[in-house]
Amino acid sequence: QKEVEQNSGPLSVPEGAIASLNCTYSDRGSQSFFWYRQYSGKSPELIMSIYSNGDKEDGRFTAQLNKASQYVSLLIRDSQPSDSATYLCAVNAASGGSYIPTFGRGTSLIVHP
Amino acid sequence: NAGVTQTPKFRILKIGQSMTLQCAQDMNHNYMYWYRQDPGMGLKLIYYSVGAGITDKGEVPNGYNVSRSTTEDFPLRLELAAPSQTSVYFCASSPSVDGYTFGSGTRLTVV
Repeated sequence: QKEVEQNSGPLSVPEGAIASLNCTYSDRGSQSFFWYRQYSGKSPELIMSIYSNGDKEDGRFTAQLNKASQYVSLLIRDSQPSDSATYLCAVNAASGGSYIPTFGRGTSLIVHP
Repeated sequence: NAGVTQTPKFRILKIGQSMTLQCAQDMNHNYMYWYRQDPGMGLKLIYYSVGAGITDKGEVPNGYNVSRSTTEDFPLRLELAAPSQTSVYFCASSPSVDGYTFGSGTRLTVV
């Protein structure tokens, strides 16, 4: 059973702070890793993808991947109230010739003014 | 560019009724997926398709059926609705093994 674990939170940070979201996964054969943002009552939206060890930066977002330790994280710098949402971690692993993501349950982030 | 379009947005079904959730994408993506999301439970894969004419079961396929006759369309069929199928259903597509584009969802209640 492939598992993706996230702390459900809520993670509460003040406006302007760095929010750090973490995710661990069980399948060492996982190839690609994604972070989605989901506002309440809305559909998930892809915000970051990462495929190799290290950091990947996109604006205020940085994804970090460590395959040896089987974790992936998302840092949000200069957090804004509009960043308040649930963040879903998804990990792709092989399944019968296809790569099917497994999603974590998500971490709720609250950014307070 | 419409992306992934799901209909209907809301539906109330009585136990034992049937319905089809529609999903269409205009991005020429080969991969399409159906997920359900229950409160606090994350996304569970119901069925997926890697191309027209090819479908496969996901983690929670019981009570559902799918077909993929064209690249654009991937409908999800519920034959005998049960209260356990009350959920929010998301259709998604991707060009390959990269990240998904999700539809806006269908909120289904079975009473």
